Amino acid sequence: GQNIDQPTEMTATEGAIVQINCTYQTSGFNGLFWYQQHAGEAPTFLSYNVLDGLEEKGRFSSFLSRSKGYSYLLLKELQMKDSASYLCAVRPGRRALTFGSGTRLQVQP
Amino acid sequence: GAVVSQHPSWVICKSGTSVKIECRSLDFQATTMFWYRQFPKQSLMLMATSNEGSKATYEQGVEKDKFLINHASLTLSTLTVTSAHPEDSSFYICSARWDRGEQPQHFGDGTRLSIL
Repeated sequence: GQNIDQPTEMTATEGAIVQINCTYQTSGFNGLFWYQQHAGEAPTFLSYNVLDGLEEKGRFSSFLSRSKGYSYLLLKELQMKDSASYLCAVRPGRRALTFGSGTRLQVQP
Repeated sequence: GAVVSQHPSWVICKSGTSVKIECRSLDFQATTMFWYRQFPKQSLMLMATSNEGSKATYEQGVEKDKFLINHASLTLSTLTVTSAHPEDSSFYICSARWDRGEQPQHFGDGTRLSIL
């Protein structure tokens, strides 16, 4: 089966850095994805890791350790518009993405 | 720009009505499309996987006779919620993937379905 865990809620201050962790246990692994979802909207793709290490994309970075079943999404220079849910998702083989329950991030002034 | 188009965005209808939702991939051929459902403050739950020209594969607990999926072409999949009831009210999101290389799944804008 699939099990993906991430914190339910986090709060951070505008301009700061926040790290959202994700741990997973899946049968089969073919990549870990991070999506951003604003309330009432569909998810938008942020990042993808299939090999261990850090992938940087502007203010967003994502890290993966396959041996530990662990990933994190790092958001730098937080802006108010970054308030959203962040979804960790794993692709088990060639099947559909399996999503965690998401982390609701609230950015405060 | 958007790579997956989903229509309609909102549907409000009476109980017992059947509702069709369309999902189109733009500028690429989606060999595989996925249908998810999301209840408020919950994660996306996969309903079914749709491959062009073949029957959809439904997840456990999803009634295939109630949620009819048709994937008639490489750019179009439809989900029909038959005889919808209030408990079917949810946010339905389609997703498409171009199965060449390690491509992310792209999502449509979702359809908010409200059954009165």
